[in-house]
Amino acid sequence: DAGVTQSPTHLIKTRGQQVTLRCSPKSGHDTVSWYQQALGQGPQFIFQYYEEEERQRGNFPDRFSGHQFPNYSSELNVNALLLGDSALYLCASSSLQGYLAQYFGPGTRLTVL
Amino acid sequence: TQLLEQSPQFLSIQEGENLTVYCNSSSVFSSLQWYRQEPGEGPVLLVTVVTGGEVKKLKRLTFQFGDARKDSSLHITAAQPGDTGLYLCAEGNTGTASKLTFGTGTRLQVTL
Repeated sequence: DAGVTQSPTHLIKTRGQQVTLRCSPKSGHDTVSWYQQALGQGPQFIFQYYEEEERQRGNFPDRFSGHQFPNYSSELNVNALLLGDSALYLCASSSLQGYLAQYFGPGTRLTVL
Repeated sequence: TQLLEQSPQFLSIQEGENLTVYCNSSSVFSSLQWYRQEPGEGPVLLVTVVTGGEVKKLKRLTFQFGDARKDSSLHITAAQPGDTGLYLCAEGNTGTASKLTFGTGTRLQVTL
């Protein structure tokens, strides 16, 4: 049973570019959440998707957007990249019934130069 | 906004020592989770506590939830190098969205 997978593992971009990160949830999970973890910090909630809709959003600008597909996989898009967007981006999946049990992927390390 | 403070920020101990890390909040937790994160990996859920005063054990790890549900502690007995990692507490709201609010973490290093 595959856990949460994310791609790519590492990514280097320059300021002003756009990036798309991908996540496949654990089998049987229908809810995907995205988190940003800056170096030395705890993860911060970006947003959550359920039934292909954004259900809740954290304190992130509109440059951060997402999408969930019918197979529950999800994408995180970041436009007009800033140096401060450099971080580990984590995807977590859960089921609506077992929402307290969230499973995290290994993350995508984004570096903005 | 819920603020979760963890202490200490860093801890370096030798194998076999005991340690306790703390997680405190400015308001009541609806539920609290502890995670461990190793370099290059995502956080892994260790335990969820919901009831005030609750104590849970996971091998050498003991988790306690304060009676007032505003604080929690994680105690490790006879630490081993494999316990090295970043320990994060997180509040999970029990509303319609399972958003987690994380603390700043305690970085633990256990040396031989």
